[in-house]
Amino acid sequence: AQTVTQSQPEMSVQEAETVTLSCTYDTSESDYYLFWYKQPPSRQMILVIRQEAYKQQNATENRFSVNFQKAAKSFSLKISDSQLGDAAMYFCAYRPGANSKLTFGKGITLSVRP
Amino acid sequence: KAGVTQTPRYLIKTRGQQVTLSCSPISGHRSVSWYQQTPGQGLQFLFEYFSETQRNKGNFPGRFSGRQFSNSRSEMNVSTLELGDSALYLCASKPGQGFYNEQFFGPGTRLTVL
Repeated sequence: AQTVTQSQPEMSVQEAETVTLSCTYDTSESDYYLFWYKQPPSRQMILVIRQEAYKQQNATENRFSVNFQKAAKSFSLKISDSQLGDAAMYFCAYRPGANSKLTFGKGITLSVRP
Repeated sequence: KAGVTQTPRYLIKTRGQQVTLSCSPISGHRSVSWYQQTPGQGLQFLFEYFSETQRNKGNFPGRFSGRQFSNSRSEMNVSTLELGDSALYLCASKPGQGFYNEQFFGPGTRLTVL
């Protein structure tokens, strides 16, 4: 069975600084997607960034980038120039192939200090 | 395009009752998935419907059921409610079952069982 592990329950970052959120996963599949979702206090789940397993290049979306290490089954999220609006829960998620089932990690609560 | 909508947003029930939650996907989306979010268990996949057929099912008891209508709207039903069913129920829609399809989440229904 696929598992997603986020070992840090909480992190804090100073506004304008950079923070990295860690995630590891376990799978025997060769084709899969990895995602980072943001869930602010409103509880609306928002997709931050996604990575296709077959792509070696790390995905980037503005201030958000990932470090995808396929052999190590590691998928960390880097947030640059942190903003107050980045404060939220962040979930790492895995999805095999065309399947719709997302397997989520436990999440990490990120706080941003002004 | 309007986003995924879920009704009601909040619901209070008592043990033993049943409840029906509704999800309207983004126009044109044919796949709807349901997730349960609790502080203890995190986000867990319930089931997915595509073109009125259940395609995937998570590890939940038979008290949890769902269906999808011809207009892609989906309902999930929980019978004989237990205290542990208190959770945020999220639905997500995507266009189809292709590998590249991204899921979009609704705001959730907060169910409280007393």
